[in-house]
Amino acid sequence: QQKVQQSPESLIVPEGGMASLNCTSSDRNVDYFWWYRQHSGKSPKMLMSIFSNGEKEEGRFTVHLNKASLHTSLHIRDSQPSDSALYLCAAIASSGSWQLIFGSGTQLTVMP
Amino acid sequence: EAGVTQSPRYAVLQEGQAVSFWCDPISGHDTLYWYQQPRDQGPQLLVYFRDEAVIDNSQLPSDRFSAVRPKGTNSTLKIQSAKQGDTATYLCASSFGTEQFFGPGTRLTVL
Repeated sequence: QQKVQQSPESLIVPEGGMASLNCTSSDRNVDYFWWYRQHSGKSPKMLMSIFSNGEKEEGRFTVHLNKASLHTSLHIRDSQPSDSALYLCAAIASSGSWQLIFGSGTQLTVMP
Repeated sequence: EAGVTQSPRYAVLQEGQAVSFWCDPISGHDTLYWYQQPRDQGPQLLVYFRDEAVIDNSQLPSDRFSAVRPKGTNSTLKIQSAKQGDTATYLCASSFGTEQFFGPGTRLTVL
């Protein structure tokens, strides 16, 4: 059973639209979340991290975290074709081995 | 600052053949990770080291896979007898702290 679940599996949005991606951990020990972006044929690159309840914004990207429900979401406004990629959510339990557990990802396609 | 480097970038094998992957982490990073990423899935941790010590190799298929990091810098991951199910991209990552930096990966195809 995967400890980090992402939804949807795939998402298509028009250029200029808003993309919303979800991630939930089933491990109650998880307390840190990362979002990585992986373009086709490339390695994952860290996009944003969030450790505290609430919201964090960087440019067009906003991340929310609800620690009580272990749910995080990534929102991309004014989506661009260059945002088309696999978005990976990863979680760590700081009380454990500090291993990153990745979800299966959301494949985002932004249509021009 | 140089990133994580890996070689080779691609490998194509017949079942039963052996292959080795090499990783050079970012200088100063004490922790090194090997992940397996099947197509259209997230990376799955195989093994990780802190300096030269193996911290967790519980996800490494020990009958065919081995990994070493003898001087706490570069690392080698070896598959002794590859199977078709090993077809995936093998990613190396390094860290000093919580953020992991990934190399470009080795894309392995086992025919």
